[in-house]
Amino acid sequence: KQEVTQIPAALSVPEGENLVLNCSFTDSAIYNLQWFRQDPGKGLTSLLLIQSSQREQTSGRLNASLDKSSGRSTLYIAASQPGDSATYLCAADNYGQNFVFGPGTRLSVLP
Amino acid sequence: EPEVTQTPSHQVTQMGQEVILRCVPISNHLYFYWYRQILGQKVEFLVSFYNNEISEKSEIFDDQFSVERPDGSNFTLKIRSTKLEDSAMYFCASNLRGLDEAFFGQGTRLTVV
Repeated sequence: KQEVTQIPAALSVPEGENLVLNCSFTDSAIYNLQWFRQDPGKGLTSLLLIQSSQREQTSGRLNASLDKSSGRSTLYIAASQPGDSATYLCAADNYGQNFVFGPGTRLSVLP
Repeated sequence: EPEVTQTPSHQVTQMGQEVILRCVPISNHLYFYWYRQILGQKVEFLVSFYNNEISEKSEIFDDQFSVERPDGSNFTLKIRSTKLEDSAMYFCASNLRGLDEAFFGQGTRLTVV
């Protein structure tokens, strides 16, 4: 069964810094990996989807990479802003079926 | 922009009561899901639904749970006899194909007292 972990669990940075969030998964035979943002008490907002044939995806200040062989994905956030403060979740598919979520990284960007 | 909508946003129910959580997936999507998140814990898969039948379910999705697509737009999750441990945020999601980007609703916070 697919298992997903994320490090760090929490991260606090000053505004303007570039940062990297890490996601690891145990089963490298994934089809997709998706990154989400979750604000406190709110739903999940899709940020980026990386398909297994892709190595990275970019959206604005966000860049996500995927290395299936090592079972890792990273989410790079450039020039962080206080509005980026949220919990970031990665989710890897479980044998092409449902998504298995990591525990998230709670990001605080300080003004 | 199309979105997944869920109602109600918050529901309080007494233990043993039945609840129905409602979702309107994105209109052209074919695959529908329910996930839940107990406070402070990971988001967990409950069930997936395609072509008017359950395609997969987790161990959590026992006989107390059922899903239905009663018409062309709604997708519901029913909990027959709620327990205290059913208290969680329940998320509905949909996608066009099973391996596509999944879009989630804002969730229904269920509190069982």
